[in-house]
Amino acid sequence: GEDVEQSLFLSVREGDSSVINCTYTDSSSTYLYWYKQEPGAGLQLLTYIFSNMDMKQDQRLTVLLNKKDKHLSLRIADTQTGDSAIYFCAAMDTGRRALTFGSGTRLQVQP
Amino acid sequence: GAVVSQHPSWVICKSGTSVKIECRSLDFQATTMFWYRQFPKQSLMLMATSNEGSKATYEQGVEKDKFLINHASLTLSTLTVTSAHPEDSSFYICSARAVGDTIYFGEGSWLTVV
Repeated sequence: GEDVEQSLFLSVREGDSSVINCTYTDSSSTYLYWYKQEPGAGLQLLTYIFSNMDMKQDQRLTVLLNKKDKHLSLRIADTQTGDSAIYFCAAMDTGRRALTFGSGTRLQVQP
Repeated sequence: GAVVSQHPSWVICKSGTSVKIECRSLDFQATTMFWYRQFPKQSLMLMATSNEGSKATYEQGVEKDKFLINHASLTLSTLTVTSAHPEDSSFYICSARAVGDTIYFGEGSWLTVV
């Protein structure tokens, strides 16, 4: 089955760029997602990328997909304190039709 | 690492019947579990937050009488879809919160109502 891995923690200074990385194992994954979760809240979909794309940009967010290496990254430009949250990478495995999430990366933004 | 087991992974039921989905935290106690629903190519939608020993908190627009949630123990929450209709067909996923606010997800359950 699909295995999705993320680093657990990232600390950056306000105004810097943040890059959160994710790897997955199933090359048949069609959609790859990034979710944000703030304390006590549900998941918020930030962005997603289809597997036939290499890059997707949405305002301060840039998603890069390296299908060969099965590597996904989320870059947040000009990181703000309000960006402090847990970020989940998730992959849709069309074979099993299951969504597998990474364990989440806790982003801490220092003022 | 911590594991959340969701069962069944797939279920097909007839219109008008009820179906129960279980969410278990296998190696940790979860005082809070979340139930999500996901339509194809859309984000997960939080349906309700389930706290052990108390009534679930439902999100706006979610029918609490239709989606019954029970969190009777620290390791088990159930979602029962009552009087299911085809429009209830969806992907349901639970997550459980462990100590330190780490959230672990089940693999999800596909419900098809025919």
